[in-house]
Amino acid sequence: QLLESGGAIVQPGRSLRLSCTGSGFTFGFYAMTWVRQAPGKGLEWLGCIRTQTSGGTTEYAASVKDRFIISRDDSERFAYLQMTSLESEDTGFYFCATGEGSGGDCPTLDSWGQGTLVTVSS
Amino acid sequence: DIQMTQSPSSLSASVGDRITITCRASESISRYLNWYQQKPGKAPKLLIFAASNLHNDVPSRFSATRSGTDFTLTIGSLQPEDFATYSCQQTYSVPHTFGGGTKVEIK
Repeated sequence: QLLESGGAIVQPGRSLRLSCTGSGFTFGFYAMTWVRQAPGKGLEWLGCIRTQTSGGTTEYAASVKDRFIISRDDSERFAYLQMTSLESEDTGFYFCATGEGSGGDCPTLDSWGQGTLVTVSS
Repeated sequence: DIQMTQSPSSLSASVGDRITITCRASESISRYLNWYQQKPGKAPKLLIFAASNLHNDVPSRFSATRSGTDFTLTIGSLQPEDFATYSCQQTYSVPHTFGGGTKVEIK
């Protein structure tokens, strides 16, 4: 199971950190991905963080690469999405997700959290 | 980045209808194509992985094929629980882009 938290109403230009905790599986064995969905829009892949054995490296969508950072704390079973310089276009539901069979690389997403809502508004 | 063009963006159908949704990749992605189902207010669920493989517990009325860079999801006989939004995603290269989604509505 995955559970996101940290969604909030924030003003444009501010920062926010989302958290995703996993249970029922060996967290450190899985790469973690963040996906968002603006109201009434489609899914947008934001980025992923590989497992430590795969280098723990990150990949990002171009739209967020300079503003968002994904990190993980395997000892605490958390993945994080640090978002800076938030814009109204960042409003939406943010999901963390993971999957098997990727060998620690960015995976096919067969397990999703329920999402957390971020609203960027003055 | 690889662009995924999904069509149609929406369709209306009746229970029992056979429907087809298409996703086209902007370049070759081999078989690295997944399909997800999402219902309002819920997280997406994986339906199909690697172009044509049904995920766990997905009913056999769902099927999917690949022809080059064109991918098709078919629901053989639409059931009431299938009214949802369907999205494709390529996992050939990062960023793992999604198609725009297809909303399947009740006629």
